[in-house]
Amino acid sequence: DTGVSQNPRHKITKRGQNVTFRCDPISEHNRLYWYRQTLGQGPEFLTYFQNEAQLEKSRLLSDRFSAERPKGSFSTLEIQRTEQGDSAMYLCATKDRLGAQYFGPGTRLLVL
Amino acid sequence: AQSVTQPDIHITVSEGASLELRCNYSYGATPYLFWYVQSPGQGLQLLLKYFSGDTLVQGIKGFEAEFKRSQSSFNLRKPSVHWSDAAEYFCAVGATGNNDMRFGAGTRLTVKP
Repeated sequence: DTGVSQNPRHKITKRGQNVTFRCDPISEHNRLYWYRQTLGQGPEFLTYFQNEAQLEKSRLLSDRFSAERPKGSFSTLEIQRTEQGDSAMYLCATKDRLGAQYFGPGTRLLVL
Repeated sequence: AQSVTQPDIHITVSEGASLELRCNYSYGATPYLFWYVQSPGQGLQLLLKYFSGDTLVQGIKGFEAEFKRSQSSFNLRKPSVHWSDAAEYFCAVGATGNNDMRFGAGTRLTVKP
C-alpha cells in the first residue's frame, strides 16, 4: 500500500455515459498525476497538478477528458461520452520531493 | 523528448535462478531512472530509483539496478528469483523539472517452479 487510494477500483459503463474517478493522494505530496494504461503497455501520462493548479493538460486524450483538484487534496478525472476505446486502467500517482512517483491501485474502466 | 525501451517483452526464469531485465533510455540530460513492478490488476510499486551518485542502486525485495551512462542503460538484477517475483516490470525515465515521466512497455516475468 503506497498511501495513494483510488475509487472505484472497477467501473463498467455503457458507451456514451459519463464516468468520474477519484484519487486521494499522500497528504504531504503536492504533485498529483493521472495516467492511462492499456493492456500490454506502460502508463501514459495524461495530466498533472501542483496543489490545485493544473500545470499540464495538453496530453489529455481529447476534450472529453477533464480533471480537477479543487482544494489541492483529492483529484477527480472525468470522461464524458465514453467510447469503447476509453477502456483501460486509469492510474493516479503522487510525487515526492526527490521526484519518485507513488501509484495508487488504479481504476479499471470497461466501456460496453 | 525522453524515451525508454525494454527489449524483452516476456522472460521466463526458474525459481532460484538469477535475473536481469534490460532497460535502455534516451534523454538529453542526466536522467532520473526508476523501476516499478506491477502485479495483475494492481497499481505500480516502486522498486528502486536512481537520481545521482553511486551507479549501483539497491531496492526493495532484493533487487538492484546499475546505471551505465556509456550504454544508456539501467538494467534490473536479482541474484535469486522467487515465485512471488512473477509480475510485470516497468522501467521509467524522468527528471525533477520535467513532469513527463516516460515508461517502457514493460517486461513480463514468469517464474518456473
